[in-house]
Amino acid sequence: QSALTQPPSVSGSPGQSVTISCIGTRSDVGSSNRVSWYQQAPGTVPKLMIYEVTNRPSGVPDRFSGSKSGNTASLTISGLQAEDESDYYCTSYTTSDTLLIGGGTKLTVL
Amino acid sequence: QVQLRESGPGVVKPSETLSLTCSVSGDSMDNYFWTWMRQSPGKGLEWIGYMSSGGSAKYSPSLKSRVTISVDTSKNQFSLKLSPVTTADTAVYFCARGMSYHRYWGQGMLVTVSS
Repeated sequence: QSALTQPPSVSGSPGQSVTISCIGTRSDVGSSNRVSWYQQAPGTVPKLMIYEVTNRPSGVPDRFSGSKSGNTASLTISGLQAEDESDYYCTSYTTSDTLLIGGGTKLTVL
Repeated sequence: QVQLRESGPGVVKPSETLSLTCSVSGDSMDNYFWTWMRQSPGKGLEWIGYMSSGGSAKYSPSLKSRVTISVDTSKNQFSLKLSPVTTADTAVYFCARGMSYHRYWGQGMLVTVSS
């Protein structure tokens, strides 16, 4: 099993929108609605931002949204804020009942 | 409020066994899945495996031959054993609740493999 593919880095200015992609296969993202996204600042515990493709846990701003098309899941952050600068990871449940994690994307707020 | 906390040795010698325990408070362990993940210094997250409260487990294919996860609901704890370890197993180890997504995490514990 290979890790899910994420861009190493993305950037945007305050107020803009950015989208982070997460590319998998038919055995994971393409066949699962169990795709999640996590935010992790350096030295901290990952924070769940999106689960089951589109759902936001309570307390997560609605500026964060998730979607999926085919084998690719996406996290979109609108109205970018300085506090959004972090690493972001996608995960997907697989047809083998295991969990795959993306390599992570570093978001820089310019 | 659900809380998880990892405990165990912070240093393990190469070829020996890494053993960590995750203590759970604030809720029953029944009817949930319990997960271990790790993060090598400066690297991304890696899924190790999970076990249900009923004892059904799944492990990462790359670690399967060396990993055992167990759950003791009577003690509100679950555990990770990894053997034998090498320096490549040096990482922050996280415990978490859930199978496909994880809302609750431990604070993480750095385990260094060194002689």
